[in-house]
Amino acid sequence: QKEVEQNSGPLSVPEGAIASLNCTYSDRGSQSFFWYRQYSGKSPELIMSIYSNGDKEDGRFTAQLNKASQYVSLLIRDSQPSDSATYLCAVNRGSGGSNYKLTFGKGTLLTVNP
Amino acid sequence: IAGITQAPTSQILAAGRRMTLRCTQDMRHNAMYWYRQDLGLGLRLIHYSNTAGTTGKGEVPDGYSVSRANTDDFPLTLASAVPSQTSVYFCASSDSPFGTDTQYFGPGTRLTVL
Repeated sequence: QKEVEQNSGPLSVPEGAIASLNCTYSDRGSQSFFWYRQYSGKSPELIMSIYSNGDKEDGRFTAQLNKASQYVSLLIRDSQPSDSATYLCAVNRGSGGSNYKLTFGKGTLLTVNP
Repeated sequence: IAGITQAPTSQILAAGRRMTLRCTQDMRHNAMYWYRQDLGLGLRLIHYSNTAGTTGKGEVPDGYSVSRANTDDFPLTLASAVPSQTSVYFCASSDSPFGTDTQYFGPGTRLTVL
């Protein structure tokens, strides 16, 4: 079983729509969850972090975490063409040794069509 | 503030050659990381360093070595490059080594081993 799973996409949405990106993880001890955005040919950049169950909103972005179901999602409201990128889910696997390190999903390619 | 710099930007290397990828951060972060990113495989951790003077192995350490002589620099060495090491390499840093902080990524080095 892969540790952090995301649909590879591509996910295509029209401009102005809500884009929903999902991620599941296997380690129930995971404590920290991150969404990174990566434009083609560029490096990843953090857009959201979430540590507690529930929703966390930042502008047009909302991260949702459900530890019981072991999933974390990212909603992008009023999607813009500039949101077209690959979105990486990253999970901290918990305490102890190298388990402090992040594990990344393979990413979901989002395309927002004008 | 430059953040994280990596050198070279890209490199074509003959198999069997030794190569060092350079990474420097000016944020005085404690932890530094090296990832490789391959199509279909996502970001995978090669080596990490929680603080100057310490290093640890990540998910795919074979064929790579690192050192952390000071806070700012974290070079990655390929002792004898092989074609399977063709990849994009990202250096990253974070203030905390405990997986709860944002990781900031450098611009990447595109390495081709022939």
